[in-house]
Amino acid sequence: NAGVTQTPKFQVLKTGQSMTLQCAQDMNHNSMYWYRQDPGMGLRLIYYSASEGTTDKGEVPNGYNVSRLNKREFSLRLESAAPSQTSVYFCASRPRFSGANVLTFGAGSRLTVL
Amino acid sequence: SQQGEEDPQALSIQEGENATMNCSYKTSINNLQWYRQNSGRGLVHLILIRSNEREKHSGRLRVTLDTSKKSSSLLITASRAADTASYFCATENNFNKFYFGSGTKLNVKP
Repeated sequence: NAGVTQTPKFQVLKTGQSMTLQCAQDMNHNSMYWYRQDPGMGLRLIYYSASEGTTDKGEVPNGYNVSRLNKREFSLRLESAAPSQTSVYFCASRPRFSGANVLTFGAGSRLTVL
Repeated sequence: SQQGEEDPQALSIQEGENATMNCSYKTSINNLQWYRQNSGRGLVHLILIRSNEREKHSGRLRVTLDTSKKSSSLLITASRAADTASYFCATENNFNKFYFGSGTKLNVKP
């Protein structure tokens, strides 16, 4: 029972390179989220997906694209990486219809852009 | 930011003492939640309080919510060294989005 799985765990990019962070959950959750965490700034919401086929912008969507491939998977793409995107990225999910409106997080992906 | 601030930013106490962290937010909410993050790990949910509740308990955790002041506090009683972590409050709005505060880093000394 893996919960939320993120890949890769670590990545180093050069400015201008592109990459995709993968996230998959095996809990049959409907909603999925991408956050970034920077020192002293807590977590900031990048994108959100309420269900398969729908996505919505969060606080800091610029420079990112997302794809809700199916119910299990929600990927985050950096088309042209910039040093300002150096951060730790977290994927999270939660049930859509549940009395427990809580998020389950992945272990994070640490991205460095040189 | 949609979220307010948490204070203190850092807190250092002795084992057995109580730890209190505060969270303020800016917008109307459905509920407020507290999460814990151990160093280098993802966040783990601790406790949820709905907007129509004023206080909630779970084991050694006590959460209060004052919607008129848009603030919440988390009290950890009889702290242990294993409680050392960062603690974050998160609010959920009407659009199913969660917004997090900047966190309180708690250090419990044995």
